[in-house]
Amino acid sequence: GQNIDQPTEMTATEGAIVQINCTYQTSGFNGLFWYQQHAGEAPTFLSYNVLDGLEEKGRFSSFLSRSKGYSYLLLKELQMKDSASYLCAVMDSNYQLIWGAGTKLIIKP
Amino acid sequence: GAVVSQHPSWVICKSGTSVKIECRSLDFQATTMFWYRQFPKQSLMLMATSNEGSKATYEQGVEKDKFLINHASLTLSTLTVTSAHPEDSSFYICSVLAGGSSSYNEQFFGPGTRLTVL
Repeated sequence: GQNIDQPTEMTATEGAIVQINCTYQTSGFNGLFWYQQHAGEAPTFLSYNVLDGLEEKGRFSSFLSRSKGYSYLLLKELQMKDSASYLCAVMDSNYQLIWGAGTKLIIKP
Repeated sequence: GAVVSQHPSWVICKSGTSVKIECRSLDFQATTMFWYRQFPKQSLMLMATSNEGSKATYEQGVEKDKFLINHASLTLSTLTVTSAHPEDSSFYICSVLAGGSSSYNEQFFGPGTRLTVL
C-alpha cells in the first residue's frame, strides 16, 4: 500500500530552526510537495522536489532522498505566524497526490 | 499560479437536504479539478477527479450517487452532496491541476467549504 509518515506534532521556539521529516512508500514517484495549512484554511504550496538534494526558498528549505524515500522541510528563523500544519504529499505514478496526515507545528515565544 | 475560488465558504443545513458547492478557476482553464474532503486532524482525502466534459472518476469508497460532480466548463466544477447527513460534515476543498510538464503538475487549492449538517 501507499504510505506517508510524518510526526503528528512538533514544538519549537520563535527564532529557532525546526526540521519536519517525511518518509514515504508509494507506487511510483513524480515529485514530493510540502504544503502549509493554517487551521480552517486550504493548504498553500511551499515547495516541490523531484530530484535529490536541497531546495532553498527564503526561510524554508526542502530536502529529498529518493533512494531512502525521505524528505524534510527545514524552517529557519521561526516566526509565530509559522504555527500551522505542514503537509507532505507525494505524486505517484498516476500523477495523484498521496497525502500525509500533517505535522502540527507549535511555535512558542 | 492559478486563482481558485469556492462558494459558499461555509454552509449549515438540515439532515436530508442537498448542498451544492462551486469551485471556480478564475484565471486558468482547468481541464482537471480535484475534490477533497478533510475531517478534523486528518489528511486530505481525494474524493474524485473531475474532468471537463466527461464523467468524474471517483475514489474507492466514495458514493458517486451521493456526491454528484459536474464539470461543465473549463472554469467551473460543482460538487453536490445529496441527502446530506451529519457524518458528511467536513471541510471540502477543490483544486485545479495546472502545469504543462508531466513532471510537475502542481495543484492550486480553493479556500475550502465548511459543511455542517445538523
